[in-house]
Amino acid sequence: DAGVTQSPTHLIKTRGQQVTLRCSPKSGHDTVSWYQQALGQGPQFIFQYYEEEERQRGNFPDRFSGHQFPNYSSELNVNALLLGDSALYLCASGLPLNTGELFFGEGSRLTVL
Amino acid sequence: AQSVTQLDSQVPVFEEAPVELRCNYSSSVSVYLFWYVQYPNQGLQLLLKYLSGSTLVKGINGFEAEFNKSQTSFHLRKPSVHISDTAEYFCAVSRDSSYKLIFGSGTRLLVRP
Repeated sequence: DAGVTQSPTHLIKTRGQQVTLRCSPKSGHDTVSWYQQALGQGPQFIFQYYEEEERQRGNFPDRFSGHQFPNYSSELNVNALLLGDSALYLCASGLPLNTGELFFGEGSRLTVL
Repeated sequence: AQSVTQLDSQVPVFEEAPVELRCNYSSSVSVYLFWYVQYPNQGLQLLLKYLSGSTLVKGINGFEAEFNKSQTSFHLRKPSVHISDTAEYFCAVSRDSSYKLIFGSGTRLLVRP
């Protein structure tokens, strides 16, 4: 049983560019959340998707957007990249019955130059 | 709003010694509490969670934590650590059983031989 898979694992962009990160949830999971983890810090909640809609959002600007597809996979898009967007982006999926337990992928490490 | 404070950024300990990683939270409502572990270059893995019921929670790899409502704490303990326990440990809080977790800044456990 594959866990949460994310792609790409590493990428380098320059300021002003746009990036798309992808996530496939663990089998049987229908909720996907995205977190940003800056170096040396704990993850920060970006947003959560369920039934192809954004259900909750953290304190992130509109440059951060997402999408969930009918197969529950998800994308995170970041426009007009800033140096401060450099971080590990973690995708997490959850069980249909909310138990609060998240299963995390290994992340996509974004470097903005 | 909820917040989490992990008082120690790094905890060095010798192998087979006991360890306690401290976590305090702030919330005006009842919360759910979690401890996650992050090994180098990996995503986060759930160690244990407190949703309700017994205040002493047992998790994987011999870890346990005790929920103390009066002190708003959820400290993580292990009676005897192994080299393989070296990792970053994150305490997290959620207002409900949703997947919006608020993480602390993490504690690096460094187990020495």
